[in-house]
Amino acid sequence: QKEVEQNSGPLSVPEGAIASLNCTYSDRGSQSFFWYRQYSGKSPELIMFIYSNGDKEDGRFTAQLNKASQYVSLLIRDSQPSDSATYLCAVVGNQFYFGTGTSLTVIP
Amino acid sequence: GAVVSQHPSRVICKSGTSVKIECRSLDFQATTMFWYRQFPKQSLMLMATSNEGSKATYEQGVEKDKFLINHASLTLSTLTVTSAHPEDSSFYICSANRPDRKTNYGYTFGSGTRLTVV
Repeated sequence: QKEVEQNSGPLSVPEGAIASLNCTYSDRGSQSFFWYRQYSGKSPELIMFIYSNGDKEDGRFTAQLNKASQYVSLLIRDSQPSDSATYLCAVVGNQFYFGTGTSLTVIP
Repeated sequence: GAVVSQHPSRVICKSGTSVKIECRSLDFQATTMFWYRQFPKQSLMLMATSNEGSKATYEQGVEKDKFLINHASLTLSTLTVTSAHPEDSSFYICSANRPDRKTNYGYTFGSGTRLTVV
């Protein structure tokens, strides 16, 4: 079983819509959760991190964490074409465990 | 914010030669740096943890004699791919964490190195 699982997509949403990205993890003891955005051929860049159950909002981005169900999600409101990228979920256990990423395309 | 510089960004080398990749923390001292490899359409896989002043810790399945890591100072770690072969072609990324940060959001990635072995 993989440590972190994500739907690889691709996920397509129209411009202005809400994009919802989901991630599940296997280690119930994980405490730190991250979302990274990676453009093709580039290194990942941190979007958000969350430690506590519930929602955390930062601009157009909202991270949601449910430790009981072992999932973490990322909502992108008012999606823009520039949001088109692969989104990586990462969970910290003994090391950083990355999901395989979800490819998002925002259609103008 | 913390900046990690990685060089070169792209390198093409002949099969059998060695390639060195540098990872520098520009505005902080990093006692620990991490080296990842990413194949196309796959996630980042941790190769090794580089520790300043001591031997690197390699993940299972990663050959330490092939991927030489040197972390001689608090701001520089190097990864040398020795006797490179086409299957070593990949995107190599380093990251570092500020040791004074207690929260993990201090991890910062370098810009990555695209290695192509021909």
